[in-house]
Amino acid sequence: AQTVTQSQPEMSVQEAETVTLSCTYDTSESDYYLFWYKQPPSRQMILVIRQEAYKQQNATENRFSVNFQKAAKSFSLKISDSQLGDAAMYFCAYRSYNTDKLIFGTGTRLQVFP
Amino acid sequence: GAVVSQHPSWVICKSGTSVKIECRSLDFQATTMFWYRQFPKQSLMLMATSNEGSKATYEQGVEKDKFLINHASLTLSTLTVTSAHPEDSSFYICSAANRDRRNTEAFFGQGTRLTVV
Repeated sequence: AQTVTQSQPEMSVQEAETVTLSCTYDTSESDYYLFWYKQPPSRQMILVIRQEAYKQQNATENRFSVNFQKAAKSFSLKISDSQLGDAAMYFCAYRSYNTDKLIFGTGTRLQVFP
Repeated sequence: GAVVSQHPSWVICKSGTSVKIECRSLDFQATTMFWYRQFPKQSLMLMATSNEGSKATYEQGVEKDKFLINHASLTLSTLTVTSAHPEDSSFYICSAANRDRRNTEAFFGQGTRLTVV
């Protein structure tokens, strides 16, 4: 069975600075997807970024980028130029290639200080 | 992006009563929807996979008679918490995947906060 681990329960960053959230996973599959979701206080799940395992190039979405290390089964999220609105819970998630079921990590609470 | 609407956003019910939560995909068809449960300050735990036109698939440890799932159409899945008790109080979230756009991300409803008193 696949597992997702987020070892940082809480992180904090100064506004305009950069922060990296860690995620590791375990799987025996070769094809899969990885996601980072943001859950603000409203609790609406918002997709931040996704990565296909077969792609070597790291995904980027504006200020958000990932460091995908397939061999190490690591999938970290870097947030550049942090903004107050980035404060939220961040969940790393795994999805097998042939299913839509997501397996979530335990989450990292990100605080952003002015 | 695609919209998934969950209703109600919050509900308070008395112990012993049943509560129905709806999950609708508004602008796409979803053969599969997922129901998650989230305890305070914790992660999302998958409860069951809702399959249109067939029985739901429940995760280990989830009581199927307690959490009834019906997926009667390609745009609607319902979760009914039967004979609710205070320990069922939680945040319930659904997600749906677009049938016609395989291997894209799932879209989440806004969640339902259930409080059983």
